[in-house]
Amino acid sequence: AQTVTQSQPEMSVQEAETVTLSCTYDTSESNYYLFWYKQPPSRQMILVIRQEAYKQQNATENRFSVNFQKAAKSFSLKISDSQLGDTAMYFCAFMDSNYQLIWGAGTKLIIKP
Amino acid sequence: ETGVTQTPRHLVMGMTNKKSLKCEQHLGHNAMYWYKQSAKKPLELMFVYSLEERVENNSVPSRFSPECPNSSHLFLHLHTLQPEDSALYLCASSQDTSGFGTEAFFGQGTRLTVV
Repeated sequence: AQTVTQSQPEMSVQEAETVTLSCTYDTSESNYYLFWYKQPPSRQMILVIRQEAYKQQNATENRFSVNFQKAAKSFSLKISDSQLGDTAMYFCAFMDSNYQLIWGAGTKLIIKP
Repeated sequence: ETGVTQTPRHLVMGMTNKKSLKCEQHLGHNAMYWYKQSAKKPLELMFVYSLEERVENNSVPSRFSPECPNSSHLFLHLHTLQPEDSALYLCASSQDTSGFGTEAFFGQGTRLTVV
């Protein structure tokens, strides 16, 4: 069975610091998509960044970037210059060839002023 | 109004009650989803609709009954729930169910408490 593991239940950093959230997954498929979603206190899940497994170049969206290590089945999210508005739950998700999303349990990120 | 809207935001119901959750999307999407989110657990996919046809039912108890009257609206009818059904219920939509890498757009969820 395909699984997604987020090993950090909660993290806390000071504003303006850089933080990395971990995600590992297990699959036998060769092509798939990986996502990071953010769920702020408003509860609305928002896409942060996505990566196709066939693309070697790591995806970047402004302050958000990923470190995709296909062989290690690792997909970490780096947030640079963290802001108070980055405080949220962050979910890693995997999309398989059946287009189903498989989710991790989430990491609660707290940005302290 | 744009995006995915869910009502009500909060719901408290007794185990013998019947209630319904509503989801509406204004994005022109063809696929809609119900998820259950419990604390410290991965999101659980409950139902998937594509062009108003149910395409996925992940062994959800019959006390949860979905309805999709058109591609913009999705309901989750609740009947004789159990306390362990208390959770955040999220609705999502996407362009379709077969778009590889397609982004899902979520509502703000309904926080359900069963007493």
